[in-house]
Amino acid sequence: NAGVTQTPKFRVLKTGQSMTLLCAQDMNHEYMYWYRQDPGMGLRLIHYSVGEGTTAKGEVPDGYNVSRLKKQNFLLGLESAAPSQTSVYFCASSSLGAGVDEQYFGPGTRLTVT
Amino acid sequence: QQQVKQSPQSLIVQKGGISIINCAYENTAFDYFPWYQQFPGKGPALLIAIRPDVSEKKEGRFTISFNKSAKQFSLHIMDSQPGDSATYFCAPTFSGSARQLTFGSGTQLTVLP
Repeated sequence: NAGVTQTPKFRVLKTGQSMTLLCAQDMNHEYMYWYRQDPGMGLRLIHYSVGEGTTAKGEVPDGYNVSRLKKQNFLLGLESAAPSQTSVYFCASSSLGAGVDEQYFGPGTRLTVT
Repeated sequence: QQQVKQSPQSLIVQKGGISIINCAYENTAFDYFPWYQQFPGKGPALLIAIRPDVSEKKEGRFTISFNKSAKQFSLHIMDSQPGDSATYFCAPTFSGSARQLTFGSGTQLTVLP
């Protein structure tokens, strides 16, 4: 039982390049989330999904796209990377059950855009 | 709109002391009030959480105090240990939001040996 895993762990991009971050969970969770963490700002929600095939915007969605083709995977895409997207990205998942509110986080992906 | 204000930004405590971190919120729809703990290089992990029907919850050395009328909740760490050194986030949420967490800016706790 690996929980939430993220690929890759580190990445350096040049401005304008594209990439996809992969998040996988093996807990059969319905909800999945992508956050970014910047110094002094806590974590901010980029996009989230309440089930396979559905996605929604969070607080800071601009410049990112997501897809959830399979229940266990949630992909975050950067079509044209900008230096402002330098951050640590965390994926999380949670269950739909009543009274079950804990989010389980992955280890993060550190992205640098030069 | 800053919905969640967390204080202090950083906290240094001697081993065995009490650490207190505060969180103030604006959204009265919040119905779940967790604290997450994050170690360097790791993702956040749930430490303790409370629902608004109780005013206090204790789990070992960790206690949440909740004041609904003041729209505040706090984390108390008793007998603080060097292993507690981490960043702590309050992250309230509500059931109508697909459980989106609204994170505070974080408190970096250092417990000196």
